[in-house]
Amino acid sequence: ETGVTQTPRHLVMGMTNKKSLKCEQHLGHNAMYWYKQSAKKPLELMFVYNFKEQTENNSVPSRFSPECPNSSHLFLHLHTLQPEDSALYLCASSPARRGGPNEQFFGPGTRLTVL
Amino acid sequence: GQNIDQPTEMTATEGAIVQINCTYQTSGFNGLFWYQQHAGEAPTFLSYNVLDGLEEKGRFSSFLSRSKGYSYLLLKELQMKDSASYLCAAFTGGGNKLTFGTGTQLKVEL
Repeated sequence: ETGVTQTPRHLVMGMTNKKSLKCEQHLGHNAMYWYKQSAKKPLELMFVYNFKEQTENNSVPSRFSPECPNSSHLFLHLHTLQPEDSALYLCASSPARRGGPNEQFFGPGTRLTVL
Repeated sequence: GQNIDQPTEMTATEGAIVQINCTYQTSGFNGLFWYQQHAGEAPTFLSYNVLDGLEEKGRFSSFLSRSKGYSYLLLKELQMKDSASYLCAAFTGGGNKLTFGTGTQLKVEL
C-alpha cells in the first residue's frame, strides 16, 4: 500500500449506532488530519494531530471522537450521529515541519450516510 | 475570520486556456495551495505559492499577489480529463492549518 488509505469507503449507519473510520498513511508523515466535505460547502477541518498529539479541534461536536495511536494511523469514532452529519470524511497527512507550508496528501474518503 | 472566495462553476472548451481566480482574507497567511478533485475522488495537490509571482508546472500555472489577497490557477491546452473541481486553500498560522474555498467546478466541453 502506498499513500493514504481509508476504510470503509462507504458507511451507512443509524443514529444510535457506533462506528469507526480508519485512516492509514504510508508516507512517513507526522501530521494527520480529519476533514468533512459536504455538498456545496468548503472542506471543513475537524482535527489535527502532530506527532500523535491533538493540536487542533475545530469546535467539533463530541459525537465525533478522534484517536491517533501512532503517526501512521488515525481513527474517527462515531456515535449518536445526526442525519446532517452525512458527508464525505477525508483523512490527510503531511510532514510536520515548522514554518511550512506543508503539502497535505488526501485519502479517498469515507462516504457516510446517517439514517 | 478566514474567508476564501472562488467562482462556483466555469465552462471552457477543449484546447483553450482557462483562469480560475481566488481571493482570500485570512490572518497569519503563509501560502496558497491549489488542489484538483475529480468527482468521488481525493483532492490531489497541484501547486502552491508562498512568494508573489507565477509558478509554472507543465500545463498548469499558479499566481499569487499577497498584497492583493489574490491568486489564480491557469490551465492551458485544456483536456476533457481536466473537468473537475479546483480547490483554493490558504495556509495560515504557524501550524499546519489549511482553509479551503468551496471549489470551482470546471467543465471542459468539445
